[in-house]
Amino acid sequence: DQQVKQNSPSLSVQEGRISILNCDYTNSMFDYFLWYKKYPAEGPTFLISISSIKDKNEDGRFTVFLNKSAKHLSLHIVPSQPGDSAVYFCAASTYSGGGADGLTFGKGTHLIIQP
Amino acid sequence: DSGVTQTPKHLITATGQRVTLRCSPRSGDLSVYWYQQSLDQGLQFLIQYYNGEERAKGNILERFSAQQFPDLHSELNLSSLELGDSALYFCASSPRGRSYNEQFFGPGTRLTVL
Repeated sequence: DQQVKQNSPSLSVQEGRISILNCDYTNSMFDYFLWYKKYPAEGPTFLISISSIKDKNEDGRFTVFLNKSAKHLSLHIVPSQPGDSAVYFCAASTYSGGGADGLTFGKGTHLIIQP
Repeated sequence: DSGVTQTPKHLITATGQRVTLRCSPRSGDLSVYWYQQSLDQGLQFLIQYYNGEERAKGNILERFSAQQFPDLHSELNLSSLELGDSALYFCASSPRGRSYNEQFFGPGTRLTVL
């Protein structure tokens, strides 16, 4: 039972264009969401996060949008650069601590930026 | 470099054996998390320690155990190894116990069980 789903295993985008990565979740108890980026042979690196009390959070070229009613979040990267080519993981957690305090991850989307 | 170190980088062993993976968190971080990344399951949370105490459990098998020492480094012990235990094992740390703080991941230990 996957509680966090990233339905696109890969995504190819031209350099300079917008990259949009999507994530859906099923557990309504999740109230904090994070995006991680991972290069081969390295651990995941934190990118950006959003609390459920917000619907948008921006950090430079990265913006995360949260639609709680649809249980959907997305990561926008504008403009896309070659160094953005990596696997992106969506992750979620609960504040209340009723369950595990670890993050629940999606399976990742491999973003490829074409020159 | 996240500041989280993991040893060894690679480990090759046989079925039935026992191994220990080691993690040193970032300086000042009290929480340590262990994750397993296998090809078909993605990143799965195993267990969390906070300041030496077990804080939360995820999908950790009974054959696996962990501990966090007074100097805050942590070890993950995997016993009676099976072929399916072959995976990347990541350790992460964060300053406080709540997972909504960003977690900083180490480079991982690749375990191969033959």
